[in-house]
Amino acid sequence: NAGVMQNPRHLVRRRGQEARLRCSPMKGHSHVYWYRQLPEEGLKFMVYLQKENIIDESGMPKERFSAEFPKEGPSILRIQQVVRGDSAAYFCASAIDRVTNEKLFFGSGTQLSVL
Amino acid sequence: GQNIDQPTEMTATEGAIVQINCTYQTSGFNGLFWYQQHAGEAPTFLSYNVLDGLEEKGRFSSFLSRSKGYSYLLLKELQMKDSASYLCAVSAGGGNKLTFGTGTQLKVEL
Repeated sequence: NAGVMQNPRHLVRRRGQEARLRCSPMKGHSHVYWYRQLPEEGLKFMVYLQKENIIDESGMPKERFSAEFPKEGPSILRIQQVVRGDSAAYFCASAIDRVTNEKLFFGSGTQLSVL
Repeated sequence: GQNIDQPTEMTATEGAIVQINCTYQTSGFNGLFWYQQHAGEAPTFLSYNVLDGLEEKGRFSSFLSRSKGYSYLLLKELQMKDSASYLCAVSAGGGNKLTFGTGTQLKVEL
């Protein structure tokens, strides 16, 4: 029973390139959350998606960032024209339902480094 | 908005007991979670409190006082492997979106 799978674990990009981060939720989970973690800071909520729908994107920067969770395949967090400030660990979490006491299961994260 | 405060770091001795505090300010409180995160790894769920009182789970216990906006995580019989960051997170409003504190880095020494 695989957990939340994220790839790649490490991603290096030069300024101006695009970064694509993938997340496959746990089997049977249809709710996906993306968080960003900067050094010495807590996990910051970015976006919450269900299959084919963005439910809450209140934490997403207005430009260059987008997320999707298609009917088939993993959820994708896409960062266009990356800048050094985008360097961070990006964590994906999944849940089986949208009830308030449902714990989130986290992936191991993608460490993005922008040169 | 929400505000969550916890100490940045703590040090304790193997075999001892340590209490990690968390205070929060939020509206529409739905519950409080504690997660453990080892460096470079995924946060893993430790506990969930929605009612006042103590929840015990093996060596780990978590306490909540909603009126005071206060929680603590109690770790007993500390082991070296307990050295990690402990994240306090609050669920508020609809759904299970969590707001995290900055985490408390616990170092367990011999």
